[in-house]
Amino acid sequence: KQEVTQIPAALSVPEGENLVLNCSFTDSAIYNLQWFRQDPGKGLTSLLLIQSSQREQTSGRLNASLDKSSGRSTLYIAASQPGDSATYLCAVRPRDSWGKFQFGAGTQVVVTP
Amino acid sequence: NAGVTQTPKFRVLKTGQSMTLLCAQDMNHEYMYWYRQDPGMGLRLIHYSVGEGTTAKGEVPDGYNVSRLKKQNFLLGLESAAPSQTSVYFCASSYDGGKGSYEQYFGPGTRLTVT
Repeated sequence: KQEVTQIPAALSVPEGENLVLNCSFTDSAIYNLQWFRQDPGKGLTSLLLIQSSQREQTSGRLNASLDKSSGRSTLYIAASQPGDSATYLCAVRPRDSWGKFQFGAGTQVVVTP
Repeated sequence: NAGVTQTPKFRVLKTGQSMTLLCAQDMNHEYMYWYRQDPGMGLRLIHYSVGEGTTAKGEVPDGYNVSRLKKQNFLLGLESAAPSQTSVYFCASSYDGGKGSYEQYFGPGTRLTVT
């Protein structure tokens, strides 16, 4: 069974620093991986989706990389701002699934002014 | 577009009571999902549907039933609520955007407390 891990569970950085968030998965047979942001008491907002054939995906200050062979994805957020404070979750879609994703528990990020 | 909406936003039930959570999407997505989110455990899939009239069990289906009579709606039912079902419930929908992408779009969630 595919397992998804996000370490650390919580992270605090000063404003302006780059954020590096990690996601590990146990089975490299995936279709794709999706990064989400969740604000307290809210639903999940999709940030980036990386196909298995891609090495990285970029959107503004966000860059996500994917290394299937090592079972890792990294989300980089450049020049962090207090508004980036949220919980970030990753989810992988295993190859044996019907459009289903397996989620990590998330990393809670606080960016201090 | 409203995207994915969920009704109600909050609910308190007593043990043994029943209720139905409604999820609606206006994006014409084929796939719909119900998840529960508990502290420190991430999202766990309860049931999902790959199209109108179909449903399937996810990771934690016990104590829940679902129906997808219309493509845009996905209902989650609790027949006899238990305190262990206290959680935040999220609905999501997805479509195949090519190359098997199935990017997921989430609703705002329903916070359920069972006393």
